[in-house]
Amino acid sequence: SQKIEQNSEALNIQEGKTATLTCNYTNYSPAYLQWYRQDPGRGPVFLLLIRENEKEKRKERLKVTFDTTLKQSLFHITASQPADSATYLCALEAKGGSYIPTFGRGTSLIVHP
Amino acid sequence: ETGVTQTPRHLVMGMTNKKSLKCEQHLGHNAMYWYKQSAKKPLELMFVYSLEERVENNSVPSRFSPECPNSSHLFLHLHTLQPEDSALYLCASSQVSLSNNEQFFGPGTRLTVL
Repeated sequence: SQKIEQNSEALNIQEGKTATLTCNYTNYSPAYLQWYRQDPGRGPVFLLLIRENEKEKRKERLKVTFDTTLKQSLFHITASQPADSATYLCALEAKGGSYIPTFGRGTSLIVHP
Repeated sequence: ETGVTQTPRHLVMGMTNKKSLKCEQHLGHNAMYWYKQSAKKPLELMFVYSLEERVENNSVPSRFSPECPNSSHLFLHLHTLQPEDSALYLCASSQVSLSNNEQFFGPGTRLTVL
């Protein structure tokens, strides 16, 4: 069966360090993968999209990698700040034009001052 | 603001009540979605209206009934709900294309079923 796995345990890091979050998937042929940020009691907000033929994407302090051989995406936040504390969700959309993304359960990031 | 609004933001209802959730998008998108988010669980897609077609998750109980009168408005009609239906209900919209399907989410409706 298709699965998207994100670490269920919260990631605690010190301010200024790089946070790395993982998204693994099985039994998918993804067209692309998206990362979202969600704050408590609010809807997710889109951050980055990376396509299957792209290895890396950057946006300001954010970097996403995509390894279709390992079936894994890594999401990095460099020079992390307490304001980066939130839950980060990955979402996959399979090839075939379904237009329906499937979300992982998200990983909570806590950046300590 | 994301351009997607939801009302009400909070709703408490008994199991015998009938209520409706409303979503409106001001982005000119051609797809709208209902998701359910329960604690410690992934976002669960309930219904999609995309390019004038409706797609539904077959595991969603019939006590949830969507309505999409036009491309800007989406409703979720609720009747005879169960306590386990208590969750955050999120509406989203997107402009479906072959290259991108970025979801724009509303703030959600926090539903409590007593």
